[in-house]
Amino acid sequence: GQQVMQIPQYQHVQEGEDFTTYCNSSTTLSNIQWYKQRPGGHPVFLIQLVKSGEVKKQKRLTFQFGEAKKNSSLHITATQTTDVGTYFCARTGGTSYGKLTFGQGTILTVHP
Amino acid sequence: ETGVTQTPRHLVMGMTNKKSLKCEQHLGHNAMYWYKQSAKKPLELMFVYSLEERVENNSVPSRFSPECPNSSHLFLHLHTLQPEDSALYLCASSQVLYVNTEAFFGQGTRLTVV
Repeated sequence: GQQVMQIPQYQHVQEGEDFTTYCNSSTTLSNIQWYKQRPGGHPVFLIQLVKSGEVKKQKRLTFQFGEAKKNSSLHITATQTTDVGTYFCARTGGTSYGKLTFGQGTILTVHP
Repeated sequence: ETGVTQTPRHLVMGMTNKKSLKCEQHLGHNAMYWYKQSAKKPLELMFVYSLEERVENNSVPSRFSPECPNSSHLFLHLHTLQPEDSALYLCASSQVLYVNTEAFFGQGTRLTVV
């Protein structure tokens, strides 16, 4: 179907360690978006990937889109306590409407 | 401040009550959405509006009734809810439909049905 599967569901790291979350789809994605939701907050857009094999960086965050456009990853280098939250990938509607279908999210905890 | 404002932020209601959630966006966007976020579940899309016209209804029970009087305002009318409807209800907007643009979320209404 149109779902995106996200793993892991939870990740606990020590501050300074790296973190990666993965997003997988059984069907080809037109694009993928990533959002962050801080505890008690609302999802905030981070980035959109469109091209096969695309890699984008935002400071310590690296986003990748797979060559087959069926998977994506978000990697954080040297995590900080400010990185805590839930990271969601989202695919846009396969047919129309700009509809976003979200993955289950990865809850990141960073221990100081 | 995302440009999308939701009120109230918290709401406790009985199963026989009628209440409404309000969303207002100041971004000049043409598309607005209601999402439901329950514990341990992905964000679930409930309704989609484009230029005040409902374009999608994701099999949402009739006890949830949306209203979009203009492109800046979106309401979610609630009546005879169930305890399992307790969740965070998020409103979002995007520039247009049919184009893959980012969504801007409001801070949500935390709903508790007792």
